[in-house]
Amino acid sequence: DAGVTQSPTHLIKTRGQQVTLRCSPKSGHDTVSWYQQALGQGPQFIFQYYEEEERQRGNFPDRFSGHQYPNYSSELNVNALLLGDSALYLCASSFRTDPLLAPQHFGDGTRLSIL
Amino acid sequence: AQSVTQPDIHITVSEGASLELRCNYSYGATPYLFWYVQSPGQGLQLLLKYFSGDTLVQGIKGFEAEFKRSQSSFNLRKPSVHWSDAAEYFCAVGQKKSSGDKLTFGTGTRLAVRP
Repeated sequence: DAGVTQSPTHLIKTRGQQVTLRCSPKSGHDTVSWYQQALGQGPQFIFQYYEEEERQRGNFPDRFSGHQYPNYSSELNVNALLLGDSALYLCASSFRTDPLLAPQHFGDGTRLSIL
Repeated sequence: AQSVTQPDIHITVSEGASLELRCNYSYGATPYLFWYVQSPGQGLQLLLKYFSGDTLVQGIKGFEAEFKRSQSSFNLRKPSVHWSDAAEYFCAVGQKKSSGDKLTFGTGTRLAVRP
């Protein structure tokens, strides 16, 4: 039973570019959440997708957008990259029925470096 | 708004010694509380969770945590630390909303274990 898988594992971009990160949830999970973890910090919630719609959003600008596909996989897109976007991006999946009671499973993340 | 404070950035203990990692939260309603562990280069793994019932909860790897409403605390404990416990530990509080649930993480405590 595969867990949450994220791709790519590492990525290097330059300022102003755009990036797409991908996430496949754990088998049977239908909700995907994205987090940004800057170096030395805890993860910060970006947004959550369920039924192909953004359900909740953290305090992130519109440069951060996402998508969820019918197979529950998800993408995180970041436009006009800034140096401050350098971070580990974590994807977490859960059951929609109660994500807090059936807590999230995390992937190993994508390390994004902006030059 | 909910928030989590982990006052200890770094802690070093000797192998076999007991461990307590502190976590204080701010949340208006009954909180959903979690402890996660993150090994270098990896995602987060859930150690334990609390949302109701017995205030002392048992988790994986011999960890336990106690919910104290009067102190707004959810400290993580382990009676005897193993070298493999060296990692970063994150406390998180969950917010339940009709539009979706999200986790708010603390900034983490890095645990080092002396042989």
